[in-house]
Amino acid sequence: DTAVSQTPKYLVTQMGNDKSIKCEQNLGHDTMYWYKQDSKKFLKIMFSYNNKELIINETVPNRFSPKSPDKAHLNLHINSLELGDSAVYFCASSHPERGNEKLFFGSGTQLSVL
Amino acid sequence: AQSVSQHNHHVILSEAASLELGCNYSYGGTVNLFWYVQYPGQHLQLLLKYFSGDPLVKGIKGFEAEFIKSKFSFNLRKPSVQWSDTAEYFCAVSNYGQNFVFGPGTRLSVLP
Repeated sequence: DTAVSQTPKYLVTQMGNDKSIKCEQNLGHDTMYWYKQDSKKFLKIMFSYNNKELIINETVPNRFSPKSPDKAHLNLHINSLELGDSAVYFCASSHPERGNEKLFFGSGTQLSVL
Repeated sequence: AQSVSQHNHHVILSEAASLELGCNYSYGGTVNLFWYVQYPGQHLQLLLKYFSGDPLVKGIKGFEAEFIKSKFSFNLRKPSVQWSDTAEYFCAVSNYGQNFVFGPGTRLSVLP
């Protein structure tokens, strides 16, 4: 059973389109994240939600809008896609319990904007 | 704000060589420290973590790391690398699991 699953695995689209990436975790974790990994492998946090509430929102264009319908899901919607949005997007979850924190990552969504 | 730096962008070693990857962090409070590994085409997986206690922590696949509080460092080591260790290695810091900050990563290439 996959702990953190995200779909789709690959996404190829044209500039200007709107797309969504879905993420679900079955670990019972309270906190979920979206990370962006660029072509140089640099991993940068975009958003973090705790129990459906936004707690971290880094300097991300407002074309990116996360949605958390419940604490097991954190979807990422991207409007008006640009070439620079091409990257691998990783969903992750964690349970901030002292002594047991660690991130569980999804398998990533490789987004290519043409 | 927390930040993490890693000393090397790309390390190339021959099999059986010893490995040490440097990691330094900046944060004034109590932190938890992690090393994650990303094999080619895969997602990040936890190698090891430090929360408290013995500053020398052992992880999977023969890796270990030493936390030196006075130097704000958490270097990763392995006495003898294998070709299968070729991957990207990320140091990370968190404060109680709610904000994980990653270093820029170090690419390790092990030559057979």
